[in-house]
Amino acid sequence: DGGITQSPKYLFRKEGQNVTLSCEQNLNHDAMYWYRQDPGQGLRLIYYSQIVNDFQKGDIAEGYSVSREKKESFPLTVTSAQKNPTAFYLCASMRQGRYTGELFFGEGSRLTVL
Amino acid sequence: QQQVKQSPQSLIVQKGGISIINCAYENTAFDYFPWYQQFPGKGPALLIAIRPDVSEKKEGRFTISFNKSAKQFSLHIMDSQPGDSATYFCAASSNAGKSTFGDGTTLTVKP
Repeated sequence: DGGITQSPKYLFRKEGQNVTLSCEQNLNHDAMYWYRQDPGQGLRLIYYSQIVNDFQKGDIAEGYSVSREKKESFPLTVTSAQKNPTAFYLCASMRQGRYTGELFFGEGSRLTVL
Repeated sequence: QQQVKQSPQSLIVQKGGISIINCAYENTAFDYFPWYQQFPGKGPALLIAIRPDVSEKKEGRFTISFNKSAKQFSLHIMDSQPGDSATYFCAASSNAGKSTFGDGTTLTVKP
């Protein structure tokens, strides 16, 4: 079945440590996205990539980094510079082209900083 | 800053009732207005979506009403069921591929 796979589902991190969240898709979608979700708030865009080897900052990119070396993969690194990293992280993809707009989401990764 | 404002924050409806969630947007460049449904611990999934060239779209018990001049759109859930209890997000996206989300509405349908 086609979809988005995120791992790990749960992750605990000590302060000062970097952590990388994995996102893989087999939908053959060009665009991939990382969102952060906090309780009572909507989804906020961290980074997005519309093509391999290219990505753009979203609304809350500070303290995060990404890479897009393969079409299928878009890992997110939460660095020690992110002041409040405890959150639910969602990866998504979208088929490019006119009159698209549907995001396909993974199951999410919940990061807790101890 | 692009914004999508969603209300109410939470909603309690009796089984069989109508659930109504409203959203308003500012940027006229938006050309796709989806609603996503999210269950606890899961990622959101597309429920229904509309383009600005139509005023209403219905899929089963779910209907989107769209008012382009007022820059508002709403989700109506008819005959609400306990299984509809979830968080609902409206969103707006442009052809540039970025989506902006509302803050979400937690719907509880009581048996």
